[in-house]
Amino acid sequence: DTAVSQTPKYLVTQMGNDKSIKCEQNLGHDTMYWYKQDSKKFLKIMFSYNNKELIINETVPNRFSPKSPDKAHLNLHINSLELGDSAVYFCASSPSQASGSPLHFGNGTRLTVT
Amino acid sequence: AQSVTQPDIHITVSEGASLELRCNYSYGATPYLFWYVQSPGQGLQLLLKYFSGDTLVQGIKGFEAEFKRSQSSFNLRKPSVHWSDAAEYFCAVGRSSGGYQKVTFGTGTKLQVIP
Repeated sequence: DTAVSQTPKYLVTQMGNDKSIKCEQNLGHDTMYWYKQDSKKFLKIMFSYNNKELIINETVPNRFSPKSPDKAHLNLHINSLELGDSAVYFCASSPSQASGSPLHFGNGTRLTVT
Repeated sequence: AQSVTQPDIHITVSEGASLELRCNYSYGATPYLFWYVQSPGQGLQLLLKYFSGDTLVQGIKGFEAEFKRSQSSFNLRKPSVHWSDAAEYFCAVGRSSGGYQKVTFGTGTKLQVIP
């Protein structure tokens, strides 16, 4: 009964490839997020969706394209992968987009681009 | 824009000793403050949060944090550390922006517990 699940857990690929990471939450939350954690553990918001609508789109290369088919799913597609994309990507959800709504994180996807 | 500073990158404590992890924030209004813990290979888990009211908040796993507006701080404490507390700890501040929440994380403090 995992709350926020991401697949795959590990992803190793070569530069120039296109890859996707999937995320699903069974908490009934309205809002979902993608965060990137770099090698120094710094967490940075990438995108946020509320009820399938994009509400946060930080300064992220347009090679990154999120898709939310329904409010329980938020996938991340990355085109033309670069070395600098290597990081751990975390999906998260929260009950709402309101301030103070706590985040529930998945276990992350470690992406390594060679 | 809000920001969060965790001045200690790495802290080592002995098992059974007390712990205090520092967090300072910068935000114009009353912030929403959080502490999260990340164990190796895992996602972040919420320890506690502060919105308003009592400035001393209790969390899970025996942790507590105190909000001090005058010092712009929200330090995390635990009276007696267990070996299982070894992890990375993140302070975060949330604010409302255009009707939605934007959460900014600190750079984390890695806690090592020695026997």
